[in-house]
Amino acid sequence: GQQVMQIPQYQHVQEGEDFTTYCNSSTTLSNIQWYKQRPGGHPVFLIQLVKSGEVKKQKRLTFQFGEAKKNSSLHITATQTTDVGTYFCAAPHDNQGGKLIFGQGTELSVKP
Amino acid sequence: NAGVMQNPRHLVRRRGQEARLRCSPMKGHSHVYWYRQLPEEGLKFMVYLQKENIIDESGMPKERFSAEFPKEGPSILRIQQVVRGDSAAYFCASSPLAGIYNEQFFGPGTRLTVL
Repeated sequence: GQQVMQIPQYQHVQEGEDFTTYCNSSTTLSNIQWYKQRPGGHPVFLIQLVKSGEVKKQKRLTFQFGEAKKNSSLHITATQTTDVGTYFCAAPHDNQGGKLIFGQGTELSVKP
Repeated sequence: NAGVMQNPRHLVRRRGQEARLRCSPMKGHSHVYWYRQLPEEGLKFMVYLQKENIIDESGMPKERFSAEFPKEGPSILRIQQVVRGDSAAYFCASSPLAGIYNEQFFGPGTRLTVL
């Protein structure tokens, strides 16, 4: 079945260092979404990427969608302690509405 | 503008009891999704409902689990005869429209512990 693989599972960084998480799909995606879940919290939508090769920025966060629309990345520049949490990519199952397939998530911890 | 509401936030049940989880979607949202998150794992889709209809229940176990979204009132996820393996966080999400480009708004979740 359709899978969305995400690496790494954990990332520990010193405050100020950069962080990147990668997402790969076994199939071509119509779009990909990114969510952040703080410890003990719930997933919160960050962004959606739709176009091949698309790059979007939100302050220190940069999101990319691969040319083949099979992979995506989230890069955080100069991490802060407020960036702590688990970052998930998610894609519509079989490119249809409704069901989202989530990656396993990357848990980011930031040491001050 | 209230977000997605779920209750209870924490639920403790003994093996064999029933768990009933409630979800009220955001105002104006008629599409509801339930996901389960086991400790230190990602979210797994369970069921997608629209008012009075189950659209996709492919992720929901065939036995002991059921879901509904009545015309009036919240969506309910019901787990009968709970077992320890049912211990997890159950998240409800909603969206205003169907379709692949709609973000889903998540509720705070219900943390179910089965003793």
